[in-house]
Amino acid sequence: EPEVTQTPSHQVTQMGQEVILRCVPISNHLYFYWYRQILGQKVEFLVSFYNNEISEKSEIFDDQFSVERPDGSNFTLKIRSTKLEDSAMYFCASSEWEGTGGHYEQYFGPGTRLTVT
Amino acid sequence: AQTVTQSQPEMSVQEAETVTLSCTYDTSESDYYLFWYKQPPSRQMILVIRQEAYKQQNATENRFSVNFQKAAKSFSLKISDSQLGDAAMYFCAYRTLYNNNDMRFGAGTRLTVKP
Repeated sequence: EPEVTQTPSHQVTQMGQEVILRCVPISNHLYFYWYRQILGQKVEFLVSFYNNEISEKSEIFDDQFSVERPDGSNFTLKIRSTKLEDSAMYFCASSEWEGTGGHYEQYFGPGTRLTVT
Repeated sequence: AQTVTQSQPEMSVQEAETVTLSCTYDTSESDYYLFWYKQPPSRQMILVIRQEAYKQQNATENRFSVNFQKAAKSFSLKISDSQLGDAAMYFCAYRTLYNNNDMRFGAGTRLTVKP
């Protein structure tokens, strides 16, 4: 069964450094998402991406964050200058398409644990 | 804004017994989707079951079933014949019918299965 994959599984970085988290969505999916889960807290929506542009973003997704689909398979989340509070598990998800009667299920990757020191 | 509430931070069940996890949500919309996701220690979230709000029939998937009470905005998950592999964090989630962008999650319920 196709899966969403994410690399690396664990990233440690120093405060102020840039990090790029990588995701490979399921190949025929058109919608891509990033979520964040701070340890012990709920999963929070960050951003969605469709047709090479951001479709929707939350208040968490400020100017320090950006997303990109640099080629036909990867979907990346970049944090320009990491802060201690960016330490969290970051999940990528993808779905086939939206709409009534369509495939609305989001498939999640295993996550990247980001630790900012 | 839609919110999802899971009032049970932790639950435990004896192997082979039945357990019910609670979830309530707040929305002004009439059509939407509800989901239960399982997050085992490996941390990858797996969809357990989904319910379309416009369907009156409660969804079932093998040992997993839901009790969807639309008027009460309640969406509980029942796990029958609990197995050790069911131990995980369970998240209830809400998504509008017309926007696949934003899934709202509850805080989660940690389920422990005792042998």
